[in-house]
Amino acid sequence: DAGVIQSPRHEVTEMGQEVTLRCKPISGHNSLFWYRQTMMRGLELLIYFNNNVPIDDSGMPEDRFSAKMPNASFSTLKIQPSEPRDSAVYFCASSRGGAFGNEQFFGPGTRLTVL
Amino acid sequence: DAKTTQPNSMESNEEEPVHLPCNHSTISGTDYIHWYRQLPSQGPEYVIHGLTSNVNNRMASLAIAEDRKSSTLILHRATLRDAAVYYCILRDIGGSNYKLTFGKGTLLTVNP
Repeated sequence: DAGVIQSPRHEVTEMGQEVTLRCKPISGHNSLFWYRQTMMRGLELLIYFNNNVPIDDSGMPEDRFSAKMPNASFSTLKIQPSEPRDSAVYFCASSRGGAFGNEQFFGPGTRLTVL
Repeated sequence: DAKTTQPNSMESNEEEPVHLPCNHSTISGTDYIHWYRQLPSQGPEYVIHGLTSNVNNRMASLAIAEDRKSSTLILHRATLRDAAVYYCILRDIGGSNYKLTFGKGTLLTVNP
């Protein structure tokens, strides 16, 4: 099993540019999560999808952030326009079902630097 | 969400047992106790979870106090690879049970 795949692993961009982060969940998992990790705020849940449908996007910081899951094997997190305060490590995670107790499997993360 | 309290850091020697404590005095009857860890430059990974009884798996053991207000993650023989941040998380069986709310965790250092 390849695990959760994220790309790119590192992204450096300039303020104002559009950034797209990609995630391929583990096959058969129908829950997908996007998290953001910074030194100041730790790990925060941004958005949760179940069966490709966004269930909870209350953690999305503002309208500059958007996430999509067009099918069960692919999701994107887009920031437009990007700002220096968006610099963080972004993790995608997946799990089987929305049922309680299922562990979440995290990807290796994308380290985003906005100059 | 019910909160957890963990020491900021702990140190251990290689091949010795490690006991990582977690206090959760406001835990509710429907909260499970989950542990995740995050190795340097990696995403978090699941370690173990439990409700009332002690639990064992290949990675660790979880000892839960009788009143459930505290728990201890036990690594039986620490290795250098166990150096990580360990997160103790309460997860409600109902409602928004998909949520993992990460605190600051405990940074475990393992000395050779």
